[in-house]
Amino acid sequence: DAMVIQNPRYQVTQFGKPVTLSCSQTLNHNVMYWYQQKSSQAPKLLFHYYDKDFNNEADTPDNFQSRRPNTSFCFLDIRSPGLGDAAMYLCATSREDWTDTQYFGPGTRLTVL
Amino acid sequence: RKEVEQDPGPFNVPEGATVAFNCTYSNSASQSFFWYRQDCRKEPKLLMSVYSSGNEDGRFTAQLNRASQYISLLIRDSKLSDSATYLCVVKWTGGFKTIFGAGTRLFVKA
Repeated sequence: DAMVIQNPRYQVTQFGKPVTLSCSQTLNHNVMYWYQQKSSQAPKLLFHYYDKDFNNEADTPDNFQSRRPNTSFCFLDIRSPGLGDAAMYLCATSREDWTDTQYFGPGTRLTVL
Repeated sequence: RKEVEQDPGPFNVPEGATVAFNCTYSNSASQSFFWYRQDCRKEPKLLMSVYSSGNEDGRFTAQLNRASQYISLLIRDSKLSDSATYLCVVKWTGGFKTIFGAGTRLFVKA
């Protein structure tokens, strides 16, 4: 049974056209993370939510925003995608704190034309 | 210097071989360590946590060396199915900061 679900799995957007990626979880975990992973690179943490508390990484561009309307759902909004934003976007969850295992969704592969 | 560094490989080994990867980290405040496995175009999946005393899970052994600030992963009796990228993950004390290494690619050949 899928525990961390991401939709869509593949997203194509045009340069500058806003796009929203979604993540949902059935684990009832408190923490949800968004990562960006480019080809042959490490996943890079963009931000995370601990419950409703939003925590942005210092080097995450303002172009990236996130919403968590409830425990189960978290969204990644890219306001004006550039060619450099083409990547795999991974959502992950963990039960509580930094010692806990993170469970990843299958990712959304974003293409920017 | 990168916060977490791994040899990108690739490591090409025959079935049955023993192979070891190292991962170095720069922040001495790092407290939690993990190895994840990532198959091509798939999401990372936890392979094992790394404990201070070292730990073993079947053919996989993880070690932590705090003095030299590195962790290692040893795979014995390699299988074809072990072919993947192995990501080292380090977490800082007291927060949710999570740093991934860029991964080490392993190819196990028949």
